[in-house]
Amino acid sequence: DVKVTQSSRYLVKRTGEKVFLECVQDMDHENMFWYRQDPGLGLRLIYFSYDVKMKEKGDIPEGYSVSREKKERFSLILESASTNQTSMYLCASTAGLETQYFGPGTRLLVL
Amino acid sequence: AQSVSQHNHHVILSEAASLELGCNYSYGGTVNLFWYVQYPGQHLQLLLKYFSGDPLVKGIKGFEAEFIKSKFSFNLRKPSVQWSDTAEYFCAVNAHSGGATNKLIFGTGTLLAVQP
Repeated sequence: DVKVTQSSRYLVKRTGEKVFLECVQDMDHENMFWYRQDPGLGLRLIYFSYDVKMKEKGDIPEGYSVSREKKERFSLILESASTNQTSMYLCASTAGLETQYFGPGTRLLVL
Repeated sequence: AQSVSQHNHHVILSEAASLELGCNYSYGGTVNLFWYVQYPGQHLQLLLKYFSGDPLVKGIKGFEAEFIKSKFSFNLRKPSVQWSDTAEYFCAVNAHSGGATNKLIFGTGTLLAVQP
């Protein structure tokens, strides 16, 4: 079974803090994704990466950056957290055009 | 721009009732279609998918979906729901735009509550 893990299930941060969300997959997938999930808005793509050191903006990249130094790890960075970034963050991975596999999510609260 | 619409935001059913959740997408080319489910406190998981072939696809736990190309629809159905089907359901579409990356567009989700 594919396993996608995220470093934290819950995080509480203060406005202005730098936040790192880590995601690791164990299936040697080329593609990895970061989404945020908000009630009534579904999942919205923040960034994705199709190879090591490669990244592309998704639909809502503002206020976020990403890093992919190793194939199995994809990090989401909030340079200066704001209250409107309080959300559930989901990481996913896939090989090519196949099914995306999701991690358990990180619920981030920014105070 | 590609988009996915889920018509029902909240659905409440009694056990044994039949379920149909609507999903429409806007894209004129070749698509892959997915339904994902998120049970309370659990991660998002695949329910079923359509890539090609028979437009009626069967997934886990007795769910099925029908791809109707002319209507740009991929509705999810289950003849008899159970309390354990209480979850949030997401429709997603991957449009074949020439790239090799599976970039999905998600609908806003439907919260299903099944009353025992």
